[in-house]
Amino acid sequence: EAQVTQNPRYLITVTGKKLTVTCSQNMNHEYMSWYRQDPGLGLRQIYYSMNVEVTDKGDVPEGYKVSRKEKRNFPLILESPSPNQTSLYFCASSLGGLAGPYEQYFGPGTRLTVT
Amino acid sequence: KNQVEQSPQSLIILEGKNCTLQCNYTVSPFSNLRWYKQDTGRGPVSLTIMTFSENTKSNGRYTATLDADTKQSSLHITASQLSDSASYICVVSPTGTASKLTFGTGTRLQVTL
Repeated sequence: EAQVTQNPRYLITVTGKKLTVTCSQNMNHEYMSWYRQDPGLGLRQIYYSMNVEVTDKGDVPEGYKVSRKEKRNFPLILESPSPNQTSLYFCASSLGGLAGPYEQYFGPGTRLTVT
Repeated sequence: KNQVEQSPQSLIILEGKNCTLQCNYTVSPFSNLRWYKQDTGRGPVSLTIMTFSENTKSNGRYTATLDADTKQSSLHITASQLSDSASYICVVSPTGTASKLTFGTGTRLQVTL
């Protein structure tokens, strides 16, 4: 089944404790992206990747890191999480860049709470 | 500054009725405009993708329209079902931004008996 998977689905952590949220897709998509969703603010893009070893900042990249060493994986790293990073995170992938008519597939989400 | 505005913020309709959701955008020029459906706590699911030159696109009971002159799009839902209860998000892909999207904050639709 074609899908985007994220792990963990739920995570409660403390301020400053490094964490990684994994994202994997099995559709051989070139484009992958991370978003966060907060009440009243909608979805905001954190980072995106056009292909292996090619990443770029979205609208809210501060406090996050990403890597794209393999085509299928795009982990999101929070080196020193803070409470303002408490949010619902989504990974997404598409066959090509979003300037083109490529459908974007979202993962199930990771709910992160930083205390 | 949010460049994609959606209205209404929320809407309650009876099952079987039709409804129309609005999206006004200031993003220009743009490559495409998308509508997503998002169930509570789940990832968005694509409904339609329209390029700037398209006027309408359908997906089953969902029909999206686009008026590039007035910078408005609408999503019409026909014969609503309880399963249509969700948030509907309008998204615009600006031209020349490599690969970013500008999201609206969504319309929360509730379909009741």
